[in-house]
Amino acid sequence: EIVLTQSPGTLSLSPGERATLSCRASQSVSNNYLAWYQQKPGQAPRLFIYSASSRATGIPDRFGGSGSGTDFTLTISRLEPEDFAVYYCQQYGKSPVTFGQGTKVEL
Amino acid sequence: QLQLQESGPGLVRPSETLSLTCAVSGGSISSDTFYGGWLRQPPGKVLEWIATMSYSGTTYYNPSLKSRVTMSVDMSKNQFSLKLSSVTASDTAIYYCAKVQVPGIFDQWGQGTRITVSS
Repeated sequence: EIVLTQSPGTLSLSPGERATLSCRASQSVSNNYLAWYQQKPGQAPRLFIYSASSRATGIPDRFGGSGSGTDFTLTISRLEPEDFAVYYCQQYGKSPVTFGQGTKVEL
Repeated sequence: QLQLQESGPGLVRPSETLSLTCAVSGGSISSDTFYGGWLRQPPGKVLEWIATMSYSGTTYYNPSLKSRVTMSVDMSKNQFSLKLSSVTASDTAIYYCAKVQVPGIFDQWGQGTRITVSS
């Protein structure tokens, strides 16, 4: 199965700053089938990005996804207070779909 | 807007079978575009995909759990279910049901149900 490694584990930033989150796959992700989810404490994950760079419905444009092959990035251009959360990447190019261990964006 | 709601026993004893249900509202799971799935999140661990079922009843299982998992659908109740047999403490987790956008995006989630395996 494809192993996804996210870095850093924790990102300590302030509102207004730029966040860059990395997701590296153990093998190439077919068709760049890579998604990003946000999870807040006590809540289910929420889809933010799919196909590496497409924003899900209702996701603000300060969130951007990029990358291909084995290296993918989620960028939050200017952090808002509601953006502090854990972000997971997920690949769905090869079964079984797998998730990364998460990056916590904290204040 | 589709909504999903999991239900489960909360506590299951080791070696027993865990049964979970996901009730879907705001849309029909008999639609030819509906795919439903189950995932879980053990405490402090990575999210894990368990199973996906198509509207036609075709099932896809994670190989790591395939021998213990059965997913089914009840069109009359607009819900789908999961059974996990021979549970151990390592099956303790929050279990989520989700709507699956082919080929494997989880675009809507239930709130999750916490399951503890303990005697």
